[in-house]
Amino acid sequence: GENVEQHPSTLSVQEGDSAVIKCTYSDSASNYFPWYKQELGKRPQLIIDIRSNVGEKKDQRIAVTLNKTAKHFSLHITETQPEDSAVYFCAARAEYGNKLVFGAGTILRVKS
Amino acid sequence: DADVTQTPRNRITKTGKRIMLECSQTKGHDRMYWYRQDPGLGLRLIYYSFDVKDINKGEISDGYSVSRQAQAKFSLSLESAIPNQTALYFCATSDRGTSGRNNEQFFGPGTRLTVL
Repeated sequence: GENVEQHPSTLSVQEGDSAVIKCTYSDSASNYFPWYKQELGKRPQLIIDIRSNVGEKKDQRIAVTLNKTAKHFSLHITETQPEDSAVYFCAARAEYGNKLVFGAGTILRVKS
Repeated sequence: DADVTQTPRNRITKTGKRIMLECSQTKGHDRMYWYRQDPGLGLRLIYYSFDVKDINKGEISDGYSVSRQAQAKFSLSLESAIPNQTALYFCATSDRGTSGRNNEQFFGPGTRLTVL
């Protein structure tokens, strides 16, 4: 089955700097890769996703890149703000399986 | 607003007790999921259901059972709770989608379960 590894487990950046979180997956059949953000005491919420027929997707200050050959994808947050502080989860899903496998999460702290 | 709700939000119980966690949704989604969250382990799928007559095991189904009583309700039971089932439990829903599109999962607020 699918296995998703996520790094780093914690990340501290200065406000205004960029943050990058990386994930690798094992199942070459996976074709959908969402990212979820979970603020302290809250539920996870989707912030961006990408399908395997696209190499990059942007939404304002966040972007996701996908390298199918290497089986890894990354979340990029530019101009970080204190409200970006949260736990971020990557996930992968194969079409036939129809279920998400999540990474272990990254705690992002943005210092002001 | 359409939402996903969970009851109870917090529960403390003792080893060996039977516990039921309930999930309801007003989003009109067909698909429902139960996850548990543990520090450093992310979200792990326990069971999922694509309609009322469909139940599927996830990664970590041992010690759990589910019931899909209606399209809007999906319950998770711990038949005989044990301390390592102490965790934060999330219900989630998603739409069926069309033409194989992948659809966002919407999470409930979570149930914090402590087994003593």
